[in-house]
Amino acid sequence: TQLLEQSPQFLSIQEGENLTVYCNSSSVFSSLQWYRQEPGEGPVLLVTVVTGGEVKKLKRLTFQFGDARKDSSLHITAAQPGDTGLYLCAGVRNTGTASKLTFGTGTRLQVTL
Amino acid sequence: DAGVIQSPRHEVTEMGQEVTLRCKPISGHDYLFWYRQTMMRGLELLIYFNNNVPIDDSGMPEDRFSAKMPNASFSTLKIQPSEPRDSAVYFCASSLLTGYNEQFFGPGTRLTVL
Repeated sequence: TQLLEQSPQFLSIQEGENLTVYCNSSSVFSSLQWYRQEPGEGPVLLVTVVTGGEVKKLKRLTFQFGDARKDSSLHITAAQPGDTGLYLCAGVRNTGTASKLTFGTGTRLQVTL
Repeated sequence: DAGVIQSPRHEVTEMGQEVTLRCKPISGHDYLFWYRQTMMRGLELLIYFNNNVPIDDSGMPEDRFSAKMPNASFSTLKIQPSEPRDSAVYFCASSLLTGYNEQFFGPGTRLTVL
């Protein structure tokens, strides 16, 4: 059962455009992480959001955690070809020892010149 | 730091054969995770270890799958016998028990079972 739904699944845009990716769940998470994965590589952590309503900015990327800690969004301003990749959200559940991640369905972004 | 190392990077085998995937976590990390990624099911957690001890194997699909971690610097994921539906990219990740437990992923092993 996939607990985290991402939308859109695919997005093809031109350089300079803005975009928003959504990550929705019916479950509450301790925190939420966003990863980017490039072809032939493993996912790389971009950010962790912890507090409901939290907004974090990473250069042209803005991440928001929903007030109820069930959903999140990633907004990219003025997309560049280097932003191309698979974006994955991951809900974090702290088990007391390690953090178990439940990954979203993924959004594949292609930015063209 | 070399990061998480996985081998082989690609494996092609025939149905019924035994497959062994290998992982070397980042030195000093306490946790090791095995994931499987497919187009249909996305990225799924199979099993994770803490200090070489398996903690949660609820994601292991069947008895055909087994994982071991004989020491802090080495883990294996074995599939015996392999089936075509096992074809996927298998990732190993490691993390420390600090902060928000960022997981560092290896480059993955692409497994094709014919």
